[in-house]
Amino acid sequence: ETGVTQTPRHLVMGMTNKKSLKCEQHLGHNAMYWYKQSAKKPLELMFVYNFKEQTENNSVPSRFSPECPNSSHLFLHLHTLQPEDSALYLCASSQASSANTEAFFGQGTRLTVV
Amino acid sequence: GENVEQHPSTLSVQEGDSAVIKCTYSDSASNYFPWYKQELGKRPQLIIDIRSNVGEKKDQRIAVTLNKTAKHFSLHITETQPEDSAVYFCAAGTNQAGTALIFGKGTTLSVSS
Repeated sequence: ETGVTQTPRHLVMGMTNKKSLKCEQHLGHNAMYWYKQSAKKPLELMFVYNFKEQTENNSVPSRFSPECPNSSHLFLHLHTLQPEDSALYLCASSQASSANTEAFFGQGTRLTVV
Repeated sequence: GENVEQHPSTLSVQEGDSAVIKCTYSDSASNYFPWYKQELGKRPQLIIDIRSNVGEKKDQRIAVTLNKTAKHFSLHITETQPEDSAVYFCAAGTNQAGTALIFGKGTTLSVSS
């Protein structure tokens, strides 16, 4: 399935670097999400965008900065990360106004902070 | 906000046995309860879901039950097969715009032949 596509698949960055994760959905959905998956807290919700507007910021540190230029694209800008931020970052989308609220996930970006 | 608890964290069964995973949720407004399966190195994918107006739903070897009064729901897998081995996540949410699914911590199911 290529309904939700994330790039890059793998990323290694230093603590002083700035990088961005990209997510694109081709499902016509109007809501997009970032989840962090780590051994300690699997599938931890980070951000919610509904119709391009951020509706939830789940107490995420400011070194993570989301951007949603349109309902099909979602970015996660990263700067001055810590080694404990190493995790799998998953993007998901859904049709928020529909009774069917299944979330479709991308393959994820495996992030390693060194 | 919503809080979802999932048990057990690991589950090992013999091929052909049944497996049961249980979840509880806290927000009485939640009305949508999906289950996702994540195989190693792959994305989570929906395997079955249930809504609050239904008490049970079945799809071949997989069934889900919901007790809305007690705020708990369960996944039942019968006649398990080695390919059922994966991490299973329960989630709770609503169909309101701008809300997201809240997931449990996952159950690692191992089916040995």
